[in-house]
Amino acid sequence: DQQVKQNSPSLSVQEGRISILNCDYTNSMFDYFLWYKKYPAEGPTFLISISSIKDKNEDGRFTVFLNKSAKHLSLHIVPSQPGDSAVYFCAARDISSGSARQLTFGSGTQLTVLP
Amino acid sequence: KAGVTQTPRYLIKTRGQQVTLSCSPISGHRSVSWYQQTPGQGLQFLFEYFSETQRNKGNFPGRFSGRQFSNSRSEMNVSTLELGDSALYLCASSLEGAEAFFGQGTRLTVV
Repeated sequence: DQQVKQNSPSLSVQEGRISILNCDYTNSMFDYFLWYKKYPAEGPTFLISISSIKDKNEDGRFTVFLNKSAKHLSLHIVPSQPGDSAVYFCAARDISSGSARQLTFGSGTQLTVLP
Repeated sequence: KAGVTQTPRYLIKTRGQQVTLSCSPISGHRSVSWYQQTPGQGLQFLFEYFSETQRNKGNFPGRFSGRQFSNSRSEMNVSTLELGDSALYLCASSLEGAEAFFGQGTRLTVV
């Protein structure tokens, strides 16, 4: 049972345009959400996070939106750059799991930014 | 500040053998978590250690175990290796928040 789903395995956008990566979740106990970027043969790099008490968080070119009623979050990258090409993972924390640091990951979306 | 360091980066083992992977967290981080990444299953939580105690364990067989030392360094051990254990094993360290900072991983190949 996938509790965190990224339904788009891949996404291509033109340099300078907006990239929108989507993530859906099913567990209503999730209280904290994170986005990671991963290059091949490297570990995931933390990008941005959002608490369930907020609906938006911005950090430079990255903005995460959370819609709790729809159990949906999205990552917006504006403007997209070729160096953003990587696999993006959505992750969530379940406060009831007993470990504040156990994360449930989606399957990832490969973003390709075309020059 | 140095990041999370995992050793070795690559490992080839034979079925039935055992393996030990090492992780040094970011200085000051007391929580260390381990994840397995495979093409079919994605990133899956193995276990988390905090102050030398295992706080949570994922849905993996008992062949997977770990420990944490007083300096927060952690090791994970897989015994009686199976072909399906071939994966990228990732270690992450954290402070109090949920943001986990990952190492580069150990690529384990079981032949």
